Amino acid sequence: GDSVTQMEGPVTLSEEAFLTINCTYTATGYPSLFWYVQYPGEGLQLLLKATKADDKGSNKGFEATYRKETTSFHLEKGSVQVSDSAVYFCALSGPGTYKYIFGTGTRLKVLA
Amino acid sequence: SAVISQKPSRDICQRGTSLTIQCQVDSQVTMMFWYRQQPGQSLTLIATANQGSEATYESGFVIDKFPISRPNLTFSTLTVSNMSPEDSSIYLCSVGDTLNTGELFFGEGSRLTVL
Repeated sequence: GDSVTQMEGPVTLSEEAFLTINCTYTATGYPSLFWYVQYPGEGLQLLLKATKADDKGSNKGFEATYRKETTSFHLEKGSVQVSDSAVYFCALSGPGTYKYIFGTGTRLKVLA
Repeated sequence: SAVISQKPSRDICQRGTSLTIQCQVDSQVTMMFWYRQQPGQSLTLIATANQGSEATYESGFVIDKFPISRPNLTFSTLTVSNMSPEDSSIYLCSVGDTLNTGELFFGEGSRLTVL
């Protein structure tokens, strides 16, 4: 079945460091790919998404590119801030559905 | 977007009891879902809450254990029945956006601890 694998955390970085959180997937067909973020004490919220190969999703300085050839959707940010400390979830859903498969989440801690 | 309120936000329960979690949305939505997030694990879809009909359960989840109600387009409840320590989890209500972009909106979750 479909699955999502993302790097285990926690990831600890200094402010202004470069961030990469790896995410790979297995799926039949052409899923949509998402990154969700969960800040402390809050619910999950959509960070960015991509719906087809080579699409790049971006938001709040974060980017991820839908790479079909490597079945990956790695999350990157050039310069992290303390306020980016959160848990990040990679997810996929089948075309036209809301049935999501989530990765296990990666906790990011950014130190001032 | 949608604003989702869940109650209770957390609870400590005794083995063998049942607890009902409420989910209230600030607008009418068609697609509503219940997820479970066990400690250190990913989110797992329990069921799709269907308005006016029985919920659609995912493999491994049954109605007797997780009865769901959806009386209208803004409200749903999930009951965790006959709880055991293995049911200790965060339970999340989510809704699909009304523009069919594929985005899910989540409540803050209900953290249950079963002793």
